Parts: sequence; C-alpha cells; structure tokens
Amino acid sequence: KAGVTQTPRYLIKTRGQQVTLSCSPISGHRSVSWYQQTPGQGLQFLFEYFSETQRNKGNFPGRFSGRQFSNSRSEMNVSTLELGDSALYLCASSTLTGGRTGELFFGEGSRLTVL
Amino acid sequence: SQQGEEDPQALSIQEGENATMNCSYKTSINNLQWYRQNSGRGLVHLILIRSNEREKHSGRLRVTLDTSKKSSSLLITASRAADTASYFCATASNNNDMRFGAGTRLTVKP
Repeated sequence: KAGVTQTPRYLIKTRGQQVTLSCSPISGHRSVSWYQQTPGQGLQFLFEYFSETQRNKGNFPGRFSGRQFSNSRSEMNVSTLELGDSALYLCASSTLTGGRTGELFFGEGSRLTVL
Repeated sequence: SQQGEEDPQALSIQEGENATMNCSYKTSINNLQWYRQNSGRGLVHLILIRSNEREKHSGRLRVTLDTSKKSSSLLITASRAADTASYFCATASNNNDMRFGAGTRLTVKP
C-alpha cells in the first residue's frame, strides 16, 4: 500500500505570494490532518478534514485554508505569505477522526521557505 | 496550542543504555501515542496506549500511562545509534484533534 504523498517536497516563495500544498492519503483513509512544524513552536495543528468536511481547526489566521476532495486528497493554501510561515508542513492520514483518532500516518512533508 | 510536554528536551546516551522520556498533558484523553521523527522527515508511529491501559510493550519500547498524574513515559531499552531521532507524544481527546508535544531529541552515541 502506498504511503502518504506530499507535493511539492521543497519550495521557495517570497513574501506576499500564496502557496498550495497537496497531500494524497493512504488508500481508504478518509481523514487528513495538517500540521505546521517550526523549531520554535514545534508541531502545531492546522486542520483536519474527514469526508470533505473540515472537522477541526487549529489556532491559525484565515490566511491558512484547506479543502478535501471526494477522493480524500487534500490541499492546503497559505495566502499573503509571511516570513514566519517558513516551516515544514506535514500531512497525516488516518482511518478515524477527532476523538476516536488512532494511528496517524505522516507524509515526508513540504518544506516551505519564505524569503 | 500544544497539549503534551516532553521532558527532557534533549537526551544524550551511549549505545546499549536505556533512554527514558516523559510526557505530561493537561486534559483528559482517549489515548496517548508516541511518534519518532528523523531529522526533517515525517513522523512515524511507535505505540498507542489507551486511557484504560497502564503499560504497553512493543519490542524494545515500553510505555506507561498514569492518567491520575496526566503523564506518560517512553522507555527504549538497549538503545542503538539508529534510535537517534526526536520523539513526540501526542494525545487524542473526545471531539478533538491530535495534539503533539515539543519533543525530546535523543542522541545515541556509538
């Protein structure tokens, strides 16, 4: 079974631009969560999608958005990029959602650098 | 915001020694999980312990959970250089997302 696939792996943007990151979950997994990882803040929860519906959202500004498609693939978008958005963005898929969360399967991440 | 807090932040040991990492959390949980991350890579699930369990083993890993103290520990026995990584605890609560701690950076010297 193929693992969680995130694209692109690396990207460089400038302040003010926007970026879209993609995540393909493991086949059969309907829950996709996104996390931002930075050296200073650690792993911060962004949002979780289950069957195309956003189930949970972390404490991030509205510039961070996401969606999930009918095939469970998910995208997250960050608009008006700021230097502080430089981070490793991790996607994780699971068969469960919310409080019944079991094991999360992570992708290798998309490393975003904002100049 | 983070739920779990790992302790210590960094740990350096010799190969063959045991490594113990601790995690404290704030709210009631359904389960607690430990993950490992090699530098700059994705996280890999190690072990899950449910709120009604007190101890669990998997190979060289031993996890304990004390819900009265809202704490957990991860013990890696007979450590190897390949165990060098960051270790995170994560908590799952009702109607809530998975929250991760700041992690413990483990270095195992050959």
